[in-house]
Amino acid sequence: DAMVIQNPRYQVTQFGKPVTLSCSQTLNHNVMYWYQQKSSQAPKLLFHYYDKDFNNEADTPDNFQSRRPNTSFCFLDIRSPGLGDAAMYLCATSRGQDPTEQYFGPGTRLTVT
Amino acid sequence: ILNVEQSPQSLHVQEGDSTNFTCSFPSSNFYALHWYRWETAKSPEALFVMTLNGDEKKKGRISATLNTKEGYSYLYIKGSQPEDSATYLCAPRGGSNYKLTFGKGTLLTVNP
Repeated sequence: DAMVIQNPRYQVTQFGKPVTLSCSQTLNHNVMYWYQQKSSQAPKLLFHYYDKDFNNEADTPDNFQSRRPNTSFCFLDIRSPGLGDAAMYLCATSRGQDPTEQYFGPGTRLTVT
Repeated sequence: ILNVEQSPQSLHVQEGDSTNFTCSFPSSNFYALHWYRWETAKSPEALFVMTLNGDEKKKGRISATLNTKEGYSYLYIKGSQPEDSATYLCAPRGGSNYKLTFGKGTLLTVNP
């Protein structure tokens, strides 16, 4: 009965090789978020979708893009991963932009070799 | 950008001990504070959402208090169990901003 699903759980990619992480939800929430958590750091919001409206955080590198083809799915594309992009990537959802809580997936741990 | 501090960074306790940790945040423009528990290999799980100064929330052996005037929240665990081992994250929200700004978390290990 998983509500926010992330695939894969572990992803290894090569330096400079594009990689896509995926997130799906069964909650029918209209907001989806992507967070990056580097080792020993706080999770940091990269961007979010409110329905189809994309909202990028000011300090999110251009290397990171996102797609949301429908309500249930959201993708994080890293165009040219660098060693510094190795991190845990968390997807979350909420109902509206004034949520009582955000529901998280288990994350994808990305390794860049 | 909110400056969120959680202390301690990590904590080891024995089964049955009670423990508490702190989340500090800017007191100005406060809107809400979220607490999450994140067990290894699982999804972060929402524990509490707190909005009012003096608010106290309880879920089983876990409780939390909130002081918005001085900008801190305490999370208490009574009679810790090994299954309480997790990272506890707090995330305040400022004004009407939807954004959660997370702290680095407190890693709790409960030894049997």
